[in-house]
Amino acid sequence: QKEVEQNSGPLSVPEGAIASLNCTYSDRGSQSFFWYRQYSGKSPELIMSIYSNGDKEDGRFTAQLNKASQYVSLLIRDSQPSDSATYLCAVRESGGTSYGKLTFGQGTILTVHP
Amino acid sequence: NAGVTQTPKFRILKIGQSMTLQCTQDMNHNYMYWYRQDPGMGLKLIYYSVGAGITDKGEVPNGYNVSRSTTEDFPLRLELAAPSQTSVYFCASSFRQGMDYTFGSGTRLTVV
Repeated sequence: QKEVEQNSGPLSVPEGAIASLNCTYSDRGSQSFFWYRQYSGKSPELIMSIYSNGDKEDGRFTAQLNKASQYVSLLIRDSQPSDSATYLCAVRESGGTSYGKLTFGQGTILTVHP
Repeated sequence: NAGVTQTPKFRILKIGQSMTLQCTQDMNHNYMYWYRQDPGMGLKLIYYSVGAGITDKGEVPNGYNVSRSTTEDFPLRLELAAPSQTSVYFCASSFRQGMDYTFGSGTRLTVV
């Protein structure tokens, strides 16, 4: 069974700090990785996707991917209270019969305090 | 566009009852998915469909059934509800395999 593990939380950071969220995955053939944000009582929303090794930046968010280490992370710079949410790492399964389904990690709860 | 619509938003079932969770999308997506999310946990795949008439089991299919008679609709059927099925259920669809999921707003189900 393909597994996705996220760093245990909850994570609490002060406003303006950098929040670092980590994720490891077991499917060595996976090529597509996603970060979803989920506010309490709401559905997940896609905030970042990454497909190549290295960094991908989008505003205050930076996704980092290391396929050799099977590791993907999300950095949130200048954290704001509005970033307080659960962050879900998702990995697209490889293999012809998988139909590219997403496997999700258990989520990391982030709280940004003023 | 409405996107992905789930009904009902909330439901309380008694043990042994049955119900159908409805999911409809108006984006002409071939790929549709049902996930459940238990408190403090991630999403676990129940069933998925790659097109009308084609469905397959995910990670946690026991106690559920699905059908996909049209591109738009992907209902999830719970037979003989059990307390272990208390969860939040999300339906999602995508245009490409496993990419750019659009989620519905979820159905919060309690089995007592």
